[in-house]
Formats: sequence, C-alpha cells, structure tokens
Amino acid sequence: DAGVIQSPRHEVTEMGQEVTLRCKPISGHDYLFWYRQTMMRGLELLIYFNNNVPIDDSGMPEDRFSAKMPNASFSTLKIQPSEPRDSAVYFCASSLIGTGGLDEQFFGPGTRLTVL
Amino acid sequence: GEDVEQSLFLSVREGDSSVINCTYTDSSSTYLYWYKQEPGAGLQLLTYIFSNMDMKQDQRLTVLLNKKDKHLSLRIADTQTGDSAIYFCAEGNAGNMLTFGGGTRLMVKP
Repeated sequence: DAGVIQSPRHEVTEMGQEVTLRCKPISGHDYLFWYRQTMMRGLELLIYFNNNVPIDDSGMPEDRFSAKMPNASFSTLKIQPSEPRDSAVYFCASSLIGTGGLDEQFFGPGTRLTVL
Repeated sequence: GEDVEQSLFLSVREGDSSVINCTYTDSSSTYLYWYKQEPGAGLQLLTYIFSNMDMKQDQRLTVLLNKKDKHLSLRIADTQTGDSAIYFCAEGNAGNMLTFGGGTRLMVKP
C-alpha cells in the first residue's frame, strides 16, 4: 500500500483565494482525520470521519473551513476565502481501530500551505 | 476535556540516553502512544503501551507508565543523530480519537 496520499504537497496562494486540499486514505481504513500543525499552536485536530460520516468538527476554526468525504477513498479540506493566518502544514491521517481499541493513525506527508 | 502535556525541547549528546516525559489527565485511557515526526514528514507511530502495563521495552526504546500519577516516559538508549525529531505523546480510548501533546523536539549533538 502506498500509505496516505495527500495533494498538493505545497500550495502558495493569495489571500481571498479558495484552497482545496486532498487526501486518499489507506484502503480499508474506516477513520480519517484532518490536522493542522503550526509553530504557535502545535498539532490541532480539525475534523474526523468514521465510515465517511463526519463525527467531530469542533476543531474546525471557522465557517471558512469545510471538509467532505464523498467516498471511502477520498476526502477534501476546503478553505474559502483563505487568509494569511491559515498558513500551516495540513495533515491527513487514517486508521482502522482494532477490536482491542489500538488506534494506530497513519499520517500522510502533509500539505504545506502558504497564504500571502 | 483531555489534556496531554510535554516539555518543548530536549538536547542530548550522541551516545547518551534521552528521556522524554509526558503527563495526561484522562484516567480512562486505554492505550498511550509515542509518535515520531522527522523533518518535513508526517507523524509515525514509534511505540505504544497498554494502560494495564507499567513498562514496555523495544530494542533501544523503553516506555514507562505510572498510571497513578498519569505520567508516561520514553527512554531512548544510545541516542543517535538520526533520532533527532519531534516526539509526540498521545492518549486514546477504545474507538475514540487520539489526544496529542504539543511535542518534544529532541536535538542530538554529535
């Protein structure tokens, strides 16, 4: 398996533009997570899905952020309109929780977003 | 809610042992985890410990869990320059999401 795939790896955009980040989880995993990492706030959970259904989006910072998971193999995180404070590395992770509750999350390589 | 705390930074010399500490608040945690993040990459699971254990050893890694004090530590023996990374402690319940600490940046000096 290729692991969690994210695209693009780097995105530079101007304030006010729409940004779409993409994620392909590991096949067979039933949980998908979106995280944001910055120097100031560390690693923050934005939203997670179970079987394509959003479970907890309390970490989504504002209405400008939205996430979808139309099927088990694809998810998007959209920022519209983008602002300079959205600059961060965005990670997607997926997992398959074992019967004993062990939750190994597999992280993608991240998308480094810069909003000018 | 749950909270996981770690010190921000640790510097050691190559060949020394490193000890990274973590405290957590959720007494119902089922598993506790250590993830490693190398520069420019995502997090990767390094090791984990089940909450009814107090120690786990895996080659150069030793995880100690003090459930009474809600304290978790990761010891790396014979630390190498390749161990330089950010180490995240995380706790989780069965079926729930993980709560990550802020990460400890380990710098290994040659």
